[in-house]
Amino acid sequence: TQLLEQSPQFLSIQEGENLTVYCNSSSVFSSLQWYRQEPGEGPVLLVTVVTGGEVKKLKRLTFQFGDARKDSSLHITAAQTGDTGLYLCAGARGSQGNLIFGKGTKLSVKP
Amino acid sequence: NAGVMQNPRHLVRRRGQEARLRCSPMKGHSHVYWYRQLPEEGLKFMVYLQKENIIDESGMPKERFSAEFPKEGPSILRIQQVVRGDSAAYFCASSAFGTGLSDTQYFGPGTRLTVL
Repeated sequence: TQLLEQSPQFLSIQEGENLTVYCNSSSVFSSLQWYRQEPGEGPVLLVTVVTGGEVKKLKRLTFQFGDARKDSSLHITAAQTGDTGLYLCAGARGSQGNLIFGKGTKLSVKP
Repeated sequence: NAGVMQNPRHLVRRRGQEARLRCSPMKGHSHVYWYRQLPEEGLKFMVYLQKENIIDESGMPKERFSAEFPKEGPSILRIQQVVRGDSAAYFCASSAFGTGLSDTQYFGPGTRLTVL
């Protein structure tokens, strides 16, 4: 069983459109991190959210952590071709050092 | 470049050989994590180390895999007698504080292991 479920698995949109991807779990996480990974490279950190209900904005990206700290969403406004990539969410649980990853959402933004 | 460094980036081994993967954490980081990513799968935790100590190896296969992080030098993930199923991308991450609400893990570019 996958502890963190990401949806959709694949998303193909036109440049300029808005989109939201989701990261859901039945477990509580002490913090949640979003990464973007390009083919052949390692995940690059986008944001860390730690407080239930927290909203963080990073230019055209808006991240939200659910009130119960079980889920998160990433909203991209006016997508650009440079946003293409694999978006991964990863949760940390209390005193455990390791991160639990979802399988990711593969985003393709077409010109 | 103060980021996490991994080498080699690509490694080809024949079945039965040994694979040694190296990771140098970010400057000032003393916590290292190893993850494995199989095709179409998410990253799976393998092992968490601090200098000279294994903190959590709950994700490591029981046989053929070992990891170390010596006082001096990089962390090493060692796979003995590799099999085709070991083919994957292996990522190392480092953090400054280990556990903690706001600690963040930064990833290296990975080593892509191919077993022929």
